[in-house]
Amino acid sequence: DTEVTQTPKHLVMGMTNKKSLKCEQHMGHRAMYWYKQKAKKPPELMFVYSYEKLSINESVPSRFSPECPNSSLLNLHLHALQPEDSALYLCASRLALAAYNEQFFGPGTRLTVL
Amino acid sequence: QKEVEQNSGPLSVPEGAIASLNCTYSDRGSQSFFWYRQYSGKSPELIMFIYSNGDKEDGRFTAQLNKASQYVSLLIRDSQPSDSATYLCAVKQDSGYSTLTFGKGTMLLVSP
Repeated sequence: DTEVTQTPKHLVMGMTNKKSLKCEQHMGHRAMYWYKQKAKKPPELMFVYSYEKLSINESVPSRFSPECPNSSLLNLHLHALQPEDSALYLCASRLALAAYNEQFFGPGTRLTVL
Repeated sequence: QKEVEQNSGPLSVPEGAIASLNCTYSDRGSQSFFWYRQYSGKSPELIMFIYSNGDKEDGRFTAQLNKASQYVSLLIRDSQPSDSATYLCAVKQDSGYSTLTFGKGTMLLVSP
């Protein structure tokens, strides 16, 4: 298995809803990332997990809550989002050995907040 | 502030031509460089990475790195309409977690 999967592909939610995004990889990668990407902009780093521990939080609002239950799975819990949070949410993973710096992206979840 | 600069384009080339995409970076200590291709509405796909000065070839793609000039480029030979996409240059930062700084991307249009 050489890919990162993300579910759902699309999500529409209201500002009072709670939802979760899921990311999974079975490549033995031990670093996993959440990015947010708005139209015509590059991906913007949100969180980094290294060996299932949160390593970087790029000052993301608390309405986004990441979770890494095991080495293959990464979740992003959403609650009380704002319309400006509508974006493509990307998960990426990396082998996490010093010589291997390549990050591989999943297909993304297109989120619309009404 | 560490920056990665790309011309936003669009860069228009005819089918069969060589497309040349350029990227400059500000952090002289950067060691790893990546090119991602992103089709509209899709996620970035890693197409090339380069860690050493010089050229690295993979099929129709060649990445070129010049650390002295802080410059990395991507050449696409025999460009096809299917190569039309946005190409993101990314540079690894020094942190132990391999965070990437992305350029804003160059849109490439290959006309039949």
